[in-house]
Amino acid sequence: DGGITQSPKYLFRKEGQNVTLSCEQNLNHDAMYWYRQDPGQGLRLIYYSQIVNDFQKGDIAEGYSVSREKKESFPLTVTSAQKNPTAFYLCASSIDHYEQYFGPGTRLTVT
Amino acid sequence: AQSVAQPEDQVNVAEGNPLTVKCTYSVSGNPYLFWYVQYPNRGLQFLLKYITGDNLVKGSYGFEAEFNKSQTSFHLKKPSALVSDSALYFCAVRAGEGIKAAGNKLTFGGGTRVLVKP
Repeated sequence: DGGITQSPKYLFRKEGQNVTLSCEQNLNHDAMYWYRQDPGQGLRLIYYSQIVNDFQKGDIAEGYSVSREKKESFPLTVTSAQKNPTAFYLCASSIDHYEQYFGPGTRLTVT
Repeated sequence: AQSVAQPEDQVNVAEGNPLTVKCTYSVSGNPYLFWYVQYPNRGLQFLLKYITGDNLVKGSYGFEAEFNKSQTSFHLKKPSALVSDSALYFCAVRAGEGIKAAGNKLTFGGGTRVLVKP
């Protein structure tokens, strides 16, 4: 999992609450990404950031928000507007826009 | 739009036998292609990539993949599978240089579960 950390590993929330997932990297990578993984559906891109203070929506951004105030950090907030938030969330980073390096993931369960 | 197809949900192979995981893609221009492996409740680990050059790419843990432009395929192979190769494998594609693919986005296939039996 390289130099990318995600915390916590498991997260439980009640429906209607916002929750923030942490992603930190010490690889000096410019680009960072958030993916959602559901069983049988592969990975879907939520948001990505190519540089500090800039980020773009991915394919499934509705109900999520991000910030990129520091190069090392790219937190993801799952808002109450996300209709089906229970999933495995993966953060990744890349330096040369080729391969991405992934963190260990956070499994979010909302009840 | 770019896309990746992994036609097999699961591949079963006996230990010591050759392993092949299939991947076909669709993308504008020249593709950049990647294979990743995921063990249970873990992040994805990079295995190998094709950017340009030799169509046969060698990667980590004895894996290799062959880029076939005419068939738009990038199948992952290993000559002799190990029980420890049992995992979920993902193929991914993005458009190459010269194509303004927003954010260098990767598109992933749905994954193929590999089960290697002793």
